[in-house]
Amino acid sequence: AQKVTQAQTEISVVEKEDVTLDCVYETRDTTYYLFWYKQPPSGELVFLIRRNSFDEQNEISGRYSWNFQKSTSSFNFTITASQVVDSAVYFCALSEGFNAGGTSYGKLTFGQGTILTVHP
Amino acid sequence: EAGVTQSPTHLIKTRGQQATLRCSPISGHTSVYWYQQALGLGLQFLLWYDEGEERNRGNFPPRFSGRQFPNYSSELNVNALELEDSALYLCASSRGQGMTDTQYFGPGTRLTVL
Repeated sequence: AQKVTQAQTEISVVEKEDVTLDCVYETRDTTYYLFWYKQPPSGELVFLIRRNSFDEQNEISGRYSWNFQKSTSSFNFTITASQVVDSAVYFCALSEGFNAGGTSYGKLTFGQGTILTVHP
Repeated sequence: EAGVTQSPTHLIKTRGQQATLRCSPISGHTSVYWYQQALGLGLQFLLWYDEGEERNRGNFPPRFSGRQFPNYSSELNVNALELEDSALYLCASSRGQGMTDTQYFGPGTRLTVL
């Protein structure tokens, strides 16, 4: 069965510090997608990135970067020079293919989330 | 382009009552997903509708049900409400390609059961 683990429940940093949010996943499928979402206090989940299992290239978008390593089943997220507006709950999620057995098809399996607080 | 919309924003019910939550997907999206975010339990998948059909269902009792209308909007119904149904219910939509497509979320409906 699929599983996503975000071991860090809460992280607190001071503005301008770099911070890395860890995500480890489990799946028996060879084809899958990984996602990161941000949930600010308003509650709405904001999509940040999607990665498929065949593309291990790291990605950078402004102050955000993602490191995908299949060998360790990890998909970590780094915020460089953090800002107060980055304060939110961040979720890592996994989506499996139909080959996974049908019951997981189409759904996102989320980690428990990491609460990030950036202090001024 | 308008995002996913949900109504109502807040809903207060008492035990045993029924709740109906509504969701309108992004224009052009045919799939709608429902998730429950209860305190301490994280985000749990409830239901997936595509082209009017239920495609997958999470591990929830039958009193959680829904439907998708011809215009792709969706309703989630929760019958015989229990206190533990209190949660944020999030709706998401996608272009209907299952695993490969990104799900975009709405602002949620906060259901409180007294």
